[in-house]
Amino acid sequence: QVQLVQSGAEVKKPGASVKVSCKASGYTFTGYYMHWVRQAPGQGLEWMGWINPNSGGTNYAQKFQGRVTMTRDTSISTAYMELSRLRSDDTAVYYCARESYSSGVPPDYWGQGTLVTVSS
Amino acid sequence: AIRITQSPSSLSASTGDRVTITCRASQGISSYLAWYQQKPGKAPKLLIYAASTLQSGVPSRFSGSGSGTDFTLTISCLQSEDFATYYCQQYYSYPLTFGPGTKVDIK
Repeated sequence: QVQLVQSGAEVKKPGASVKVSCKASGYTFTGYYMHWVRQAPGQGLEWMGWINPNSGGTNYAQKFQGRVTMTRDTSISTAYMELSRLRSDDTAVYYCARESYSSGVPPDYWGQGTLVTVSS
Repeated sequence: AIRITQSPSSLSASTGDRVTITCRASQGISSYLAWYQQKPGKAPKLLIYAASTLQSGVPSRFSGSGSGTDFTLTISCLQSEDFATYYCQQYYSYPLTFGPGTKVDIK
């Protein structure tokens, strides 16, 4: 069965960086985009970007350009999202979610989420 | 970026009720509209995509309609497990954008 398992909660100070991992299983990792979406406490969903695990190509939301880096390690079917220069308003649950390259189905399977708390 | 609005922002309903949530895009998005359900502390779950296609495993009491700028999610007979927050999302163009959500709670 398809599973996306994310790394555990993080507490960071303002100005620091955080790197969240998302390990995929149950499907061909290189056959699907991996999106990252975040949700601030009590708020809605915000798309951050995707990585193509096959090529390593990325597409970032303009809001996060220059601060976000999405990478992958195909040998262990894991995607990573690193956010730098953290601010208090980056406190959120960060989700990974896969999307098929060609089926026309939007992100269907999601990770369980990783809470990142930014606090001095 | 395409802006998405939803209405209502919340509603109270009883088990067995018919519930309708609407979603409007700031520009035409054809049928590139998805609906997600989210329960507290859980990841979103895809219910419907392409405006009206039911995701595998989703009960048939859920249905979607619309195209262009106006869309609707209908739950025909609300069940206890349906109390949650519902988000619509456009995937017509990047950045992907979500509506602000509609919370469905128990009357």
